[in-house]
Amino acid sequence: DIQMTQSPSSLSASVGDRVTITCRASQDIGKYLAWYQQKPGKVPQLLIYGTSTLQSGVPSRFSGSGSGADFTLTISSLQPEDVATYYCQKYNSAPWTFGQGTKVEIK
Amino acid sequence: EVQLLESGGGLVQPGGSLRLSCAASEFSISTYSMNWVRQAPGKGLEWVSAVDGPTGTTYYMDSVRGRFTISRDTSKNTLYLQMNSLRAEDTAIYYCAKKGTTASPGNYFDWWGQGTLVTVSS
Repeated sequence: DIQMTQSPSSLSASVGDRVTITCRASQDIGKYLAWYQQKPGKVPQLLIYGTSTLQSGVPSRFSGSGSGADFTLTISSLQPEDVATYYCQKYNSAPWTFGQGTKVEIK
Repeated sequence: EVQLLESGGGLVQPGGSLRLSCAASEFSISTYSMNWVRQAPGKGLEWVSAVDGPTGTTYYMDSVRGRFTISRDTSKNTLYLQMNSLRAEDTAIYYCAKKGTTASPGNYFDWWGQGTLVTVSS
C-alpha cells in the first residue's frame, strides 16, 4: 500500500506568516491528492482536491501544488482561525490513506 | 444542504459487536460512494471502509477486513457499519463521509457527519 508522510508534524508561526506543509507519497499518485483542515474539537473539512482545486468557500490564502509523489499546502498569510491540524489524503486508488497530520499553531 | 447523521456508537466489551448507522439527506447514496473514517482519541484520520455508489462494491482497510461489514439501504438512504470482534484499538470516533464527485478516481470526502464515538473496553 502507498504510504503518505507529512512534514513537519507540527509548526508554530506568527500571524501573517507564509506556512508550507509537505506531503510525500511512497509512489506516484498523479494529482489525486486532497487536503483537509480539522479545527480543535471539530469535524474535518475538505480544503483542496485534485492537488490544487479549492473547495467552495475556502479562503484564497490556501493553495496546493505538486504532482506525482510530492505535494505542498501553502497558507499565504496565516490567520488565527487557521489554527488546526491539516491532513493530506491520496485518492488514486484504495486504500484511501491519510497522512499523519500537521498541527499548526500561532506563535 | 447535505446532511449526514451517524448513530449507534457506545461502550462495548472486547469481542463484542456494534452497528453504526449514517442517515444521508439531500443526495442519493446510490449515486455517490460512501465511506467510514475513524479517529482514535488524540490521533489522526484513518479511512476504514467504503461502498461504491453505483455498483455497491465494498472496500476495507486490512485491519478490519473480515470483522467489519459495510452495507447500505438505498430505500432509506442510510449507510451502515456492522462491527464484530471489536478490539480496544477500534476505539475511535467514527465518521461517515460522502465522496466528493461521481468521477473516478475521486474518493475524497466533501461532506462529513458529526461522528459517533465507539469505545471498546471491559
